[in-house]
Amino acid sequence: GEDVEQSLFLSVREGDSSVINCTYTDSSSTYLYWYKQEPGAGLQLLTYIFSNMDMKQDQRLTVLLNKKDKHLSLRIADTQTGDSAIYFCAESIEGNTPLVFGKGTRLSVIA
Amino acid sequence: GAVVSQHPSWVICKSGTSVKIECRSLDFQATTMFWYRQFPKQSLMLMATSNEGSKATYEQGVEKDKFLINHASLTLSTLTVTSAHPEDSSFYICSAPGQSGTEAFFGQGTRLTVV
Repeated sequence: GEDVEQSLFLSVREGDSSVINCTYTDSSSTYLYWYKQEPGAGLQLLTYIFSNMDMKQDQRLTVLLNKKDKHLSLRIADTQTGDSAIYFCAESIEGNTPLVFGKGTRLSVIA
Repeated sequence: GAVVSQHPSWVICKSGTSVKIECRSLDFQATTMFWYRQFPKQSLMLMATSNEGSKATYEQGVEKDKFLINHASLTLSTLTVTSAHPEDSSFYICSAPGQSGTEAFFGQGTRLTVV
């Protein structure tokens, strides 16, 4: 079945880069997403990447995809305290199918 | 971008009562909406798929008679938690696929506490 795995915790110092990793098992995944969830809030889409892409950059965010290894990463440059949140990796086969989420990585930024 | 509005954002109810949660697509039509549940420190798990004009499809282990879903229009889906129990306390969140077919737009979520 489908499975998405993430490390549960990451702690970085303010100003450093954060790298959050994710692996997935479904080779038919077409869309891979990163969502941010702040305490008590809903989900904010940060970025997504198509499975035929290797990399996508959007301001401080860089997504790398290794399709062969089914490995996805999110790099946040110059991490700020406001980046502290839970980051969810998710995948879907098509854009109108439900997402399968990882358990989320809790990012703590130390000032 | 597209907006999905979910209401209420939080609710406290007594055991045995029912709670209705609304999910609206504000500037686009959604023939399909998804309902997820998130227990504390857990991931989001798909509960059911809401289909406009037809019955919802439920994931394994989700009681359809307890979690009633109605998708009566192209912009509104509702989830009613019937005869709520404390173990139903959770964060419920809906999403709708965007018209481009690449994004899923999420509501703000509803934190349900059953006392």
